[in-house]
Amino acid sequence: DTGVSQNPRHKITKRGQNVTFRCDPISEHNRLYWYRQTLGQGPEFLTYFQNEAQLEKSRLLSDRFSAERPKGSFSTLEIQRTEQGDSAMYLCASSGGQGYNEKLFFGSGTQLSVL
Amino acid sequence: GESVGLHLPTLSVQEGDNSIINCAYSNSASDYFIWYKQESGKGPQFIIDIRSNMDKRQGQRVTVLLNKTVKHLSLQIAATQPGDSAVYFCAEKRTGANNLFFGTGTRLTVIP
Repeated sequence: DTGVSQNPRHKITKRGQNVTFRCDPISEHNRLYWYRQTLGQGPEFLTYFQNEAQLEKSRLLSDRFSAERPKGSFSTLEIQRTEQGDSAMYLCASSGGQGYNEKLFFGSGTQLSVL
Repeated sequence: GESVGLHLPTLSVQEGDNSIINCAYSNSASDYFIWYKQESGKGPQFIIDIRSNMDKRQGQRVTVLLNKTVKHLSLQIAATQPGDSAVYFCAEKRTGANNLFFGTGTRLTVIP
């Protein structure tokens, strides 16, 4: 499978715990995005990397959230001191190639439940 | 405020009929639009895209229409099949932005 891969698919944690998600983008894609989606809503942008550089962060990304893409390939999203309001689907997407208009290819997401 | 929104949250159609899903956007600076399909438990799947210098684009069984005058986007699905049942999102890319803005979505249910 050469699509965007996310792990784990599901994560259940207790409030206050830290969690980390991983995203492996399509191999030749240099851009990587994290989105959050709650039930019945469209995905909301969190952050964006071009290669290893984190170029944009949404105001939704509080200081408890941190994302990295150390080698410009896979990325991790960590949430510290989780809260019940963090329960959501966390989606990763990647895109690549030249030009301004780009298609984002999404993974299947990590469903986080904070108890 | 600025938003990407959908006219109808749910749509039910008979198998074999054509479906039309509508989307309104309010940011005139948007120059690229995408329709995504999302099935339960999966991430959004790209369907078709259109640039703002176009009015219409066709794919396999799908057509996207863009009316910039009224800031309206629609997705037409021909001969709707049960496998088309999903939530459909329109998304816009604003000039100078690096990310997509998504609407709330329309749930399409195909009745066999």
